[in-house]
Amino acid sequence: AQSVTQLGSHVSVSEGALVLLRCNYSSSVPPYLFWYVQYPNQGLQLLLKYTSAATLVKGINGFEAEFKKSETSFHLTKPSAHMSDAAEYFCAVSDRAAGNKLTFGGGTRVLVKP
Amino acid sequence: DAEITQSPRHKITETGRQVTLACHQTWNHNNMFWYRQDLGHGLRLIHYSYGVQDTNKGEVSDGYSVSRSNTEDLPLTLESAASSQTSVYFCASSEGKTSGGPDEQFFGPGTRLTVL
Repeated sequence: AQSVTQLGSHVSVSEGALVLLRCNYSSSVPPYLFWYVQYPNQGLQLLLKYTSAATLVKGINGFEAEFKKSETSFHLTKPSAHMSDAAEYFCAVSDRAAGNKLTFGGGTRVLVKP
Repeated sequence: DAEITQSPRHKITETGRQVTLACHQTWNHNNMFWYRQDLGHGLRLIHYSYGVQDTNKGEVSDGYSVSRSNTEDLPLTLESAASSQTSVYFCASSEGKTSGGPDEQFFGPGTRLTVL
């Protein structure tokens, strides 16, 4: 069975500082990986996805993530945090053998301090 | 533009009542999913469907049911609402790709359900 672990349920960063959100997965086959963002009182919006075409994936709003197979990780980064980045972020994994169902991590809430 | 909508956005009901949450998508997607979101648990899959007349149980399906009579809609029914079902419910849909890359899911805005 697949699983996703997000280290840290809350992260606080200063505006302009690096944002680093950690995601580790377990999967029996090469997975597809996703990062979603949820702004307050909204649904989830896709930030980026790993498709095996490139290990460094660029997404919307300046975010990127790097797939490291040896570490089974897919950490999300943004070089310079903006106040608008305050939200909850979810890492998710799916594999075709599991019928494209998503397994989500527990989420990391990001607070941006001025 | 294609979209996925949920109704109602907020619902308060009493224990034991039957409740139905609506989900409608105009993407013409084959796959539809229902999740619940609770603090400390992230999103958990309740039921899902890969097409008309197809339904499947997810990890937390007890007390819930779905039916898929057309491509656009997947209503979620709580047969006899319980306080433990107080949650935020999200519907999602995806194309249903079997090749050529990941099958990303698109999410609705959510329904906040309170069971008193």
